[in-house]
Amino acid sequence: KAGVTQTPRYLIKTRGQQVTLSCSPISGHRSVSWYQQTPGQGLQFLFEYFSETQRNKGNFPGRFSGRQFSNSRSEMNVSTLELGDSALYLCASSIRDPGSGYTFGSGTRLTVV
Amino acid sequence: TQLLEQSPQFLSIQEGENLTVYCNSSSVFSSLQWYRQEPGEGPVLLVTVVTGGEVKKLKRLTFQFGDARKDSSLHITAAQPGDTGLYLCAGAGGTASKLTFGTGTRLQVTL
Repeated sequence: KAGVTQTPRYLIKTRGQQVTLSCSPISGHRSVSWYQQTPGQGLQFLFEYFSETQRNKGNFPGRFSGRQFSNSRSEMNVSTLELGDSALYLCASSIRDPGSGYTFGSGTRLTVV
Repeated sequence: TQLLEQSPQFLSIQEGENLTVYCNSSSVFSSLQWYRQEPGEGPVLLVTVVTGGEVKKLKRLTFQFGDARKDSSLHITAAQPGDTGLYLCAGAGGTASKLTFGTGTRLQVTL
């Protein structure tokens, strides 16, 4: 079966711009989570969606937002980009909740210049 | 806030050696998972442990969940270059809709 697909793989943006990242989970997986990974902070939880509802949110500013569609596909948006937003953004899906184990996508490498 | 500390942070060993990676917290977790991540890719789930004291084996890898469900260890026997990568532990705590990831252990296995 197809894995978790994230698009695009690489992105270069300028400070102040906004960006939208996309994630298609494994078919049948209803929980989608997003993480930010940086060398200094490791994997930091952004948010988790289940059946189009945000069930949990991490400690990120309001510039970071997300949503989930009825087909479980998810998007995350970052507005007013800052240099510090440069990171690998990972999407992960699970059948019902992360406690049962994630399948991660390959990530989107965002560089803000 | 739940924190997971991993040790060591970095490990460079030769092929054939044994090693143990530790994952510790002051919080209790309902389940704990181990992942391996290679450069340019997302983490890949290796195992999930849910019962205190549980031991699981995956070929040369042995995973143990502490009796109090606050810590875990990963032991690799006769390491191979293919074991190279970033090892991450992750715990599911009070809310099942979130995993807390450990600080990571970067393993390099050389010939």
